[in-house]
Amino acid sequence: DTEVTQTPKHLVMGMTNKKSLKCEQHMGHRAMYWYKQKAKKPPELMFVYSYEKLSINESVPSRFSPECPNSSLLNLHLHALQPEDSALYLCASSQDLAVTDTQYFGPGTRLTVL
Amino acid sequence: AQSVAQPEDQVNVAEGNPLTVKCTYSVSGNPYLFWYVQYPNRGLQFLLKYITGDNLVKGSYGFEAEFNKSQTSFHLKKPSALVSDSALYFCAVRDAGAQKLVFGQGTRLTINP
Repeated sequence: DTEVTQTPKHLVMGMTNKKSLKCEQHMGHRAMYWYKQKAKKPPELMFVYSYEKLSINESVPSRFSPECPNSSLLNLHLHALQPEDSALYLCASSQDLAVTDTQYFGPGTRLTVL
Repeated sequence: AQSVAQPEDQVNVAEGNPLTVKCTYSVSGNPYLFWYVQYPNRGLQFLLKYITGDNLVKGSYGFEAEFNKSQTSFHLKKPSALVSDSALYFCAVRDAGAQKLVFGQGTRLTINP
């Protein structure tokens, strides 16, 4: 099973709201990722966790706060977002951080910031 | 630095005809190459990857890709296109030692009935 699940599917929030995105995988993968994707563009890497520790932060604004409570779960906490943050947020996981490891993506959360 | 190019924004193919989606790459070491497909409002689905060995890689849904080291290419192919193959296709590369997977800009494939 190569399934990564994400909740919610859709999220609409105001600029003063606080919300969270959730990602889960049960493949025993030790690396998890957050990507942001704008329409008709490739995914842009935001964060990478390896063995529950933050490995890469691609200079993402602090209004995005990742959290990895355990090896199966990855959260993205959102606060004081801007309309330009509206996008599809994708979670992915891979066995590890080896160059040969395949990243498996979830269906994404469509975020709209009003 | 690693990079990948998909020279065609859009490819149109008649149903039943063979299809090719082009990808070229640039890396400093050995390339590790991936193809993903994305249907509207969905995440990326893994199709296939080249790590080492046979230059012809077979993947999901009847897709295959040919690794060509001299031309630094990794084109995606299918012998007979289906309407359901219509989607956005991304090529991605990772250099040995690199921490990131680098994606191309994507190619919109449309299969006409």
